[in-house]
Amino acid sequence: DAGVIQSPRHEVTEMGQEVTLRCKPISGHDYLFWYRQTMMRGLELLIYFNNNVPIDDSGMPEDRFSAKMPNASFSTLKIQPSEPRDSAVYFCASSLTNPANTDTQYFGPGTRLTVL
Amino acid sequence: KQEVTQIPAALSVPEGENLVLNCSFTDSAIYNLQWFRQDPGKGLTSLLLIQSSQREQTSGRLNASLDKSSGRSTLYIAASQPGDSATYLCAVPTGGTSYGKLTFGQGTILTVHP
Repeated sequence: DAGVIQSPRHEVTEMGQEVTLRCKPISGHDYLFWYRQTMMRGLELLIYFNNNVPIDDSGMPEDRFSAKMPNASFSTLKIQPSEPRDSAVYFCASSLTNPANTDTQYFGPGTRLTVL
Repeated sequence: KQEVTQIPAALSVPEGENLVLNCSFTDSAIYNLQWFRQDPGKGLTSLLLIQSSQREQTSGRLNASLDKSSGRSTLYIAASQPGDSATYLCAVPTGGTSYGKLTFGQGTILTVHP
């Protein structure tokens, strides 16, 4: 398997623009996670899905952020409108089962977002 | 609320040294603890996962221990090499067995110089 695939790898946009980040999890994995990493706050979970259903979105910073998983092989994280404070690296990860059990999460390479 | 702390924030050692990275967590009711490695500009790679019933796990030159009662874990790296230079993060699941959320520490930046 190619691992978790994220696109784009880098995104530079201007404040107020819509940004869409994409993720393809490892085939057969039931869980998908979106994280944000910044120097100030470290790695934070934004939202996660189980079998395409959002389970916990309490980490989503505000209504400008939305995430969807229309099928088992694709998810998007959208920011509209984007702001400079959204600049961060966004990671997608997937796992076969619940990480509270025995399975680990596999991370994608991340999307580095810069909002000017 | 679970909080995970890692000490030290950064560590620089000469090649060949044995070293220990520390991780502490406030809520000892965890099901497992994981150590990850992150290389600059890359995602995280899982190194070791210790179940709550285990005391330690080993993989090559890496050994991770877990003391649930004291809320601590250590990652021991033997005979360090420049290729070990990376950020090391520990993480614990929070919210129970049906909950998939991981809480991460801030990480320890390790530099091994030749």
